[in-house]
Amino acid sequence: NAGVTQTPKFRVLKTGQSMTLLCAQDMNHEYMYWYRQDPGMGLRLIHYSVGEGTTAKGEVPDGYNVSRLKKQNFLLGLESAAPSQTSVYFCASRQSVYGYTFGSGTRLTVV
Amino acid sequence: DQQVKQNSPSLSVQEGRISILNCDYTNSMFDYFLWYKKYPAEGPTFLISISSIKDKNEDGRFTVFLNKSAKHLSLHIVPSQPGDSAVYFCAASSSGSARQLTFGSGTQLTVLP
Repeated sequence: NAGVTQTPKFRVLKTGQSMTLLCAQDMNHEYMYWYRQDPGMGLRLIHYSVGEGTTAKGEVPDGYNVSRLKKQNFLLGLESAAPSQTSVYFCASRQSVYGYTFGSGTRLTVV
Repeated sequence: DQQVKQNSPSLSVQEGRISILNCDYTNSMFDYFLWYKKYPAEGPTFLISISSIKDKNEDGRFTVFLNKSAKHLSLHIVPSQPGDSAVYFCAASSSGSARQLTFGSGTQLTVLP
């Protein structure tokens, strides 16, 4: 099925560990985004990409890095995880202003 | 500073009645507004949108109203159904900056049978 796939769906990290979240879309969308959602808050933009090979910072980029080496993939990296990065992470892609498609999320806990 | 605010964390409505969800924004550069619906353990799904050149958009049971002078929009669901129970997020975007979405904090709608 066409859409946005996020892996893994769940992960528990120890403080200081690193990990990479993968987002893959098969809709040939140019734009891709990483958001985080915390209790009582809306989704906040971490980083985004307007096309293959490009990345830009969003509202809350500190502690994260991203890469878009292939058009269909957008990777979110945590170099040294902190408890403040405990959150649900959503990836999204779009082609038009209407067409945001979100993945089902990755629930990350940092202990 | 929250640019998009949903001041009601929760709303309960009887099945068959109208649900009204509200959203306020502060950034006058926003020109496109969207509502997303989210079930637990799923990503947000697009519900309905409105451009700033309109004041109303309707799609079946869902209608979004935009009052630009008050920087306020609302989502009306008529009639409400138990399957509508979910978290509803208001979002806004402006041209430029890759049309990134700025979200409100969400309203949990519960439709009681």
